[in-house]
Amino acid sequence: KNQVEQSPQSLIILEGKNCTLQCNYTVSPFSNLRWYKQDTGRGPVSLTIMTFSENTKSNGRYTATLDADTKQSSLHITASQLSDSASYICVVSGNSGYALNFGKGTSLLVTP
Amino acid sequence: NAGVMQNPRHLVRRRGQEARLRCSPMKGHSHVYWYRQLPEEGLKFMVYLQKENIIDESGMPKERFSAEFPKEGPSILRIQQVVRGDSAAYFCASSPKVGETQYFGPGTRLLVL
Repeated sequence: KNQVEQSPQSLIILEGKNCTLQCNYTVSPFSNLRWYKQDTGRGPVSLTIMTFSENTKSNGRYTATLDADTKQSSLHITASQLSDSASYICVVSGNSGYALNFGKGTSLLVTP
Repeated sequence: NAGVMQNPRHLVRRRGQEARLRCSPMKGHSHVYWYRQLPEEGLKFMVYLQKENIIDESGMPKERFSAEFPKEGPSILRIQQVVRGDSAAYFCASSPKVGETQYFGPGTRLLVL
């Protein structure tokens, strides 16, 4: 069964600090991996997308990495802001391209 | 360009009633996807539709659940004879082409009493 596992489940950091979120997946065959941000009560919003040939992708203060050999990805957030408080979800797509496999997310809380 | 719109945002139904969830995709998007998020769980794929056609409904329960995306109007996810286990957040997403980034709506939170 295709699975996407994320760690940690939750994280609390001080404003201005950096953090790294992890994602391991077993989805095969693999098409692409996305990181989404989901604010409470809202729908997920795409942050980055990577295919198997890409090993890093940046979007402002967000940098995602991908190791397709070990089936691991990470999302690094630099200089965190209060508005970064949200759930960060790792999403892996198989060959269909549309049936996305979602992790449960890492709940990040940035405190003053 | 308005994003994906879903209504209602919150819906309360008693067991045995019907629930109708609506989704208007982004302008120019003809591909619509429905996902369900149970409490403390990740989103799970339910169904993929393209105008007037159901392409893949492998993630949708075979009984009581149905989906449509008519030529005119929003996509509808219909749940008949709701049970407490149907309580969840239902998200709709759309994309201009299959495989491209899916844009999500705010979700409909269904509570079955």
